[in-house]
Amino acid sequence: NAGVTQTPKFRVLKTGQSMTLLCAQDMNHEYMYWYRQDPGMGLRLIHYSVGEGTTAKGEVPDGYNVSRLKKQNFLLGLESAAPSQTSVYFCASSYTPGNEQFFGPGTRLTVL
Amino acid sequence: AQSVSQHNHHVILSEAASLELGCNYSYGGTVNLFWYVQYPGQHLQLLLKYFSGDPLVKGIKGFEAEFIKSKFSFNLRKPSVQWSDTAEYFCAVPDTGRRALTFGSGTRLQVQP
Repeated sequence: NAGVTQTPKFRVLKTGQSMTLLCAQDMNHEYMYWYRQDPGMGLRLIHYSVGEGTTAKGEVPDGYNVSRLKKQNFLLGLESAAPSQTSVYFCASSYTPGNEQFFGPGTRLTVL
Repeated sequence: AQSVSQHNHHVILSEAASLELGCNYSYGGTVNLFWYVQYPGQHLQLLLKYFSGDPLVKGIKGFEAEFIKSKFSFNLRKPSVQWSDTAEYFCAVPDTGRRALTFGSGTRLQVQP
């Protein structure tokens, strides 16, 4: 099992560009999450999904959109990137909410 | 809303020293408690977890944590650290709505050989 995978691993964008981060899990988990990690701030929840076709806002959703068209995939989109979105993005999944989460390797995004 | 406090932001220890990292949470209901570790350049991995039962939980690589309900604390300990323990450590609890996990700001541990 690959667990949770993320693509791409690194990306550099210019302000105003758009991109999509892909997260895939092969553990048949219902719950999936997108976090951003910034120095000294831990992980902050951007959006999450409780199942295929559902999404919900987390703590810091502004500037991001998500989609969960298939149970195993959770996409994070940036429509118009801003320097404040420079961060490391982690996807995670879990079998039940509030339970152990399994993390992907992360995407390091730099917005110039 | 649930909040998690990790009081030590950066800890520097010599090999064989003992480690204790503090974690306090705000919500007093029934909680699951987690410690995750992030080695340099890697993703978060579960170190240990507490759901119920014995408040002293043992995890991987010789780590343990003690849940003290009256103090809303879940401190991480290791009797003798190794250079390979150099990493960032995160405490986490379910958020108030139990949708996801709320993470502390992390403690960066640097172990000097």
